[in-house]
Amino acid sequence: DTAVSQTPKYLVTQMGNDKSIKCEQNLGHDTMYWYKQDSKKFLKIMFSYNNKELIINETVPNRFSPKSPDKAHLNLHINSLELGDSAVYFCASSPGVYSNQPQHFGDGTRLSIL
Amino acid sequence: DQQVKQNSPSLSVQEGRISILNCDYTNSMFDYFLWYKKYPAEGPTFLISISSIKDKNEDGRFTVFLNKSAKHLSLHIVPSQPGDSAVYFCAAPRDDKIIFGKGTRLHILP
Repeated sequence: DTAVSQTPKYLVTQMGNDKSIKCEQNLGHDTMYWYKQDSKKFLKIMFSYNNKELIINETVPNRFSPKSPDKAHLNLHINSLELGDSAVYFCASSPGVYSNQPQHFGDGTRLSIL
Repeated sequence: DQQVKQNSPSLSVQEGRISILNCDYTNSMFDYFLWYKKYPAEGPTFLISISSIKDKNEDGRFTVFLNKSAKHLSLHIVPSQPGDSAVYFCAAPRDDKIIFGKGTRLHILP
């Protein structure tokens, strides 16, 4: 019974393709996040949703579109994939929007663009 | 602009000894700090936190110290165990986001 699960774990695809990563949490949390960990190992916030509403969009290209069908799910769709999109993408959740509440992370999706 | 800095990419410590992981920050408005631990192929997991009104917080083998005047915090692990080998991230909340450091890889040597 994984708390935050994301699929797929690995994604290898060609430049220009469109792909989606799914995330689900069973913790009853109100807030969900997407992070990108690039080759320099920095973990950077991309998006944050609270109760299905977007609250943070951290200057991410509009090729990235998050979708939250309900508060337990936050999916990430990426159009026209580029080489620079290769990274590990982490989904996370927390009880609410207050950022001093510890976040629970999924195990990551490693995206490789050929 | 790195507001949270972990200047040591890696650290090796003998099993049983004390591990000290350091973190510096630049934003004096940070009022809360968190440490996360990450194993390979897994997501980060929350370890311990500290509010800026305190200078120390202890949880079992883990203690975090905060020196506000130096804008520095450190995580002490004692005694270090093999399962402590992981990457440790220092983080600070700001504007409903968490700013993460680059992480320090801790190797516990037998």
